[in-house]
Amino acid sequence: NAGVTQTPKFRVLKTGQSMTLLCAQDMNHEYMYWYRQDPGMGLRLIHYSVGEGTTAKGEVPDGYNVSRLKKQNFLLGLESAAPSQTSVYFCASSRDNSPLHFGNGTRLTVT
Amino acid sequence: DAKTTQPTSMDCAEGRAANLPCNHSTISGNEYVYWYRQIHSQGPQYIIHGLKNNETNEMASLIITEDRKSSTLILPHATLRDTAVYYCIVRVAGGKLIFGQGTELSVKP
Repeated sequence: NAGVTQTPKFRVLKTGQSMTLLCAQDMNHEYMYWYRQDPGMGLRLIHYSVGEGTTAKGEVPDGYNVSRLKKQNFLLGLESAAPSQTSVYFCASSRDNSPLHFGNGTRLTVT
Repeated sequence: DAKTTQPTSMDCAEGRAANLPCNHSTISGNEYVYWYRQIHSQGPQYIIHGLKNNETNEMASLIITEDRKSSTLILPHATLRDTAVYYCIVRVAGGKLIFGQGTELSVKP
């Protein structure tokens, strides 16, 4: 039981490049979330999903897209990376009203 | 989602109880109070949650006032490893978790 796994752990992009962050969970959780955390700040919700095939916007969705084609995976895409998207990205999953389980984060730098 | 207010920082002596307050005056009847902590840049760690009644687990106790407008997280015997940022969050059942700025707790020898 690996819990929540995020790949990659680190990535450096140039402005304008695209990439996809993968989140996988093996706990059969319905709900999945993507957060970003900037230095010295709390976590901010980007997008979330309440089930396979459904997604919804969070607090800071601009510049990101998500997909939940399989229940166990939640993908976060950056179509054209900008320096403002330099951050640590955390994925989380949960059942209906259970605590969220977080991954260890992806550290992204956009130059 | 109801918002929460926490002190920016607190200090606690090692071995003493750490009492972390949180105000959530606009909480609704179906919103739970959750506490998480984050050590360095690791993913947030779940501590405890509750709706109306006080709760206790192996990590901490959660005291919720009768009117549910505030709560206190209690770490009974703080250690240096409890130094972290602590987040108080209210959440509708099955809903999203919105983090605030949290309280930076420093446990000192």
